[in-house]
Amino acid sequence: AQSVAQPEDQVNVAEGNPLTVKCTYSVSGNPYLFWYVQYPNRGLQFLLKYITGDNLVKGSYGFEAEFNKSQTSFHLKKPSALVSDSALYFCAVRDISSGSARQLTFGSGTQLTVLP
Amino acid sequence: ETGVTQSPTHLIKTRGQQVTLRCSSQSGHNTVSWYQQALGQGPQFIFQYYREEENGRGNFPPRFSGLQFPNYSSELNVNALELDDSALYLCAILRDSNQETQYFGPGTRLLVL
Repeated sequence: AQSVAQPEDQVNVAEGNPLTVKCTYSVSGNPYLFWYVQYPNRGLQFLLKYITGDNLVKGSYGFEAEFNKSQTSFHLKKPSALVSDSALYFCAVRDISSGSARQLTFGSGTQLTVLP
Repeated sequence: ETGVTQSPTHLIKTRGQQVTLRCSSQSGHNTVSWYQQALGQGPQFIFQYYREEENGRGNFPPRFSGLQFPNYSSELNVNALELDDSALYLCAILRDSNQETQYFGPGTRLLVL
């Protein structure tokens, strides 16, 4: 079985400061990892993914994430936060050994608030 | 925008009724997934369709069923609605299976009274 943990329900950061949203995962095989963002009353918007290759992945809007296999983590980062980054962030994993269905397992989400 | 649309945006039903939710995409795809997002939780996988056949299901009972059509549209049907079915229902398409990225629609918010 696969699972994702987002240990922080809420992260507050001042505008212009770096931000980190934490994610750890558990899979029986190799993982594909994703970050999505959700604004109020909207669907999920894709930010970035790790499939293979470089452990540091760069995505939309200046976000990046680092895949750490030994720590089973995939933390989302941004060097300088904007007020407009305030939203609900979801980490998701797909276990590529789990069969043909491309099932994503999501964490419970982290509410990011960037304070002006 | 992802080019994925869902209808209706909001829906209110009573317990025991049946509901059909729809999803469509402007661009081609052969894989569509449906997810249920309860309030304050992350989305949970319901099932996935590939070339009009179900090829994966999460921990949801058979009263949740789906259809995928050749015209890049799909449906989620839920029979015998229960109060706990109240949630945001999201569809996601996979445009290129080699890229793995699923693109989500805006969702349908279902309230069961």
